[in-house]
Amino acid sequence: EAGVTQFPSHSVIEKGQTVTLRCDPISGHDNLYWYRRVMGKEIKFLLHFVKESKQDESGMPNNRFLAERTGGTYSTLKVQPAELEDSGVYFCASSQETQGAGANVLTFGAGSRLTVL
Amino acid sequence: GEDVEQSLFLSVREGDSSVINCTYTDSSSTYLYWYKQEPGAGLQLLTYIFSNMDMKQDQRLTVLLNKKDKHLSLRIADTQTGDSAIYFCAEKTRTGGSYIPTFGRGTSLIVHP
Repeated sequence: EAGVTQFPSHSVIEKGQTVTLRCDPISGHDNLYWYRRVMGKEIKFLLHFVKESKQDESGMPNNRFLAERTGGTYSTLKVQPAELEDSGVYFCASSQETQGAGANVLTFGAGSRLTVL
Repeated sequence: GEDVEQSLFLSVREGDSSVINCTYTDSSSTYLYWYKQEPGAGLQLLTYIFSNMDMKQDQRLTVLLNKKDKHLSLRIADTQTGDSAIYFCAEKTRTGGSYIPTFGRGTSLIVHP
C-alpha cells in the first residue's frame, strides 16, 4: 500500500509570505495527525483529525496556522503569514485505529521542511 | 520541562550493543514506543511495549520498562552501520480530545567501524 505522502518536501519562503503544506494519508485511515519538529527540539503535536473533523487542535501554536481536511481525505496546513519561528519540519501521520485502548501506531510521512527567511 | 527526555547523541562501535535511554512523565501512559528516523525519511515504528510488561524482545531489539522510575530503554544488539539514525521515545498520552504519542527530542545514534 502507498504510505503517507507529503508535499512539498522543502519550502523556502520569506517572512510574511504564505505556505500551504499537503498531506495524503494512507487510504482508509480515518485519523490524521500533524506534528512539528523545530531543530533540535522534540516533535510536538499540532492537531488531530478524525475524518474531516478536528478532534483535537490543542497543539496549534496560534491563529496563523489553519488546517483543513475537506472530504476526510487529504489535509492541508496553511501558515499565513509565516514568521521566522515557524521554521522546522512538519510531519503528517495517519492511523486506522479507533482512539482508545489500543496502541494506535502512527505511520508517518517524510515531512515537509519549512525554512522562513 | 519536557514530558519525554532523551540524551541527544550516542556513539558506538560496529558490533557493540547500543543502549538508548528515555524518561517520561505520565505514569498513566499505557503504551511506550520507539520510533526510528533515517535520513530523509519519516518516523518508522520500531517497537512498542504495553505498560503492564517490563521487557519485550524482538530479534536484536530489547525494550526494558521500569514503570516505577518512568524509565524506558532500547537495547540494540550487534549494532550495524545501518542502525545509524535518530531514535525517538514516545509515550501515549491524552491531550484535549485525543490519545496521541508524545515524543522526545530523539537520540542520534552514530555507529562507526
